[in-house]
Amino acid sequence: DAMVIQNPRYQVTQFGKPVTLSCSQTLNHNVMYWYQQKSSQAPKLLFHYYDKDFNNEADTPDNFQSRRPNTSFCFLDIRSPGLGDAAMYLCATSGRDRNGEQFFGPGTRLTVL
Amino acid sequence: QQQVKQSPQSLIVQKGGISIINCAYENTAFDYFPWYQQFPGKGPALLIAIRPDVSEKKEGRFTISFNKSAKQFSLHIMDSQPGDSATYFCAAYNFNKFYFGSGTKLNVKP
Repeated sequence: DAMVIQNPRYQVTQFGKPVTLSCSQTLNHNVMYWYQQKSSQAPKLLFHYYDKDFNNEADTPDNFQSRRPNTSFCFLDIRSPGLGDAAMYLCATSGRDRNGEQFFGPGTRLTVL
Repeated sequence: QQQVKQSPQSLIVQKGGISIINCAYENTAFDYFPWYQQFPGKGPALLIAIRPDVSEKKEGRFTISFNKSAKQFSLHIMDSQPGDSATYFCAAYNFNKFYFGSGTKLNVKP
């Protein structure tokens, strides 16, 4: 089945130790999103790619970076995680011809010790 | 400024009852309005969605009512079941970005 896959599902890191989360998709969608979701809150958009064009949200901290080496893969790098970065990180995709329909991955739960 | 306002924050409904969640928006450029269902520890899943050229869309027990002039839309869950207990998010879409409501935690009592 076509889907959005996130690895790992659970990630534990130490304060200040860089971490990379990955997302892959078999949907061949051109738009990929990274969201941060904290407990009992709505997903918060960090950035998105439209094809190779990177779009950063104005309030996304510089500590968060992203890479999209090809259509299928997208990475979220957190350069120096703080305790406040502990959250669920969600990857999502949307297709050019689907005009809005968005598919989410299962998420990566990040714990910062 | 929150682009999409959602209410109530939490909702308790008896099994078999109707659950109603409301959302309001300001930006008339939004052109797609999805509802997502999220279970604990899972990613949101698209439940049902509507475009502003229709006033109602029904899929099984789930119905979206859309009022373009009032800039409001709502989700109705008929014959609510305990398995519907989850958090529901409305959203509005424009130019490749989704704006989420704050979420409603639904608890359906057996």
